[in-house]
Amino acid sequence: AQSVAQPEDQVNVAEGNPLTVKCTYSVSGNPYLFWYVQYPNRGLQFLLKYITGDNLVKGSYGFEAEFNKSQTSFHLKKPSALVSDSALYFCAVRPLGGQNFVFGPGTRLSVLP
Amino acid sequence: SQTIHQWPATLVQPVGSPLSLECTVEGTSNPNLYWYRQAAGRGLQLLFYSVGIGQISSEVPQNLSASRPQDRQFILSSKKLLLSDSGFYLCAWSVVSNEQFFGPGTRLTVL
Repeated sequence: AQSVAQPEDQVNVAEGNPLTVKCTYSVSGNPYLFWYVQYPNRGLQFLLKYITGDNLVKGSYGFEAEFNKSQTSFHLKKPSALVSDSALYFCAVRPLGGQNFVFGPGTRLSVLP
Repeated sequence: SQTIHQWPATLVQPVGSPLSLECTVEGTSNPNLYWYRQAAGRGLQLLFYSVGIGQISSEVPQNLSASRPQDRQFILSSKKLLLSDSGFYLCAWSVVSNEQFFGPGTRLTVL
C-alpha cells in the first residue's frame, strides 16, 4: 500500500533559523513528490515538486526539498525561516502512471519571532 | 491562466438536509478533478475523483455522491446530511504527471 509519513506533528523554529519538515514515503516504482502549504481556512498551495533529474528541487518562497531515493525521503527545507512561513505543510506522492495523490497527515510549522 | 472556483465558501445546514457543493475550473481542458474532506485542520481524505465527464471513482463509501456533468464542473452532493459530514471540503484539479491545484474550500457545519 502507498503511504506518506510526516513524523512530526509540530515543528517550532526561531525566525532566521533554518527549518526542516520531514517526509518519508512508501510507494512502488518511481513516484512524483510534492509539497504543499495551507494557511488557515484556505486551500492548499503548491510549493514544489520532484519528477526526475536533480535531487535538490527549488520552489516558491525560498523553499527547497531534497529527494533521497535510498531513504525514500523528501524533506522540505528553508535556510532562513520567516514568521509568515507559519502554516500547515503537506507532503504528497503520486505513483508513476497513477491518477491519485497520497497525502501525509501534515506538519504544523510555527516560526517564532 | 487556470483558476478554480468553489462555492459556497461557508455553509451551515441542519442534519437531514440535502447538500450541493460546486466546483468549476477555468483555463484547462479535460482535467482530473478531485473532492477532498479535511477534518480539524489536518489530513486530507480523498472522497471522489474523476478523469472525465460522467466518470466518478469513489474512494470512501459514505453519505456523499459526486457528479461531473461538464468537463470542468464537479459537484458534491448528499441527500441527507449527517453530523459527521461537517468539515472543510476542497476541490482540486490536475493534469497527467503534474501537481494538483486546489480551490479555496467550503466550510460545512452540520447542526
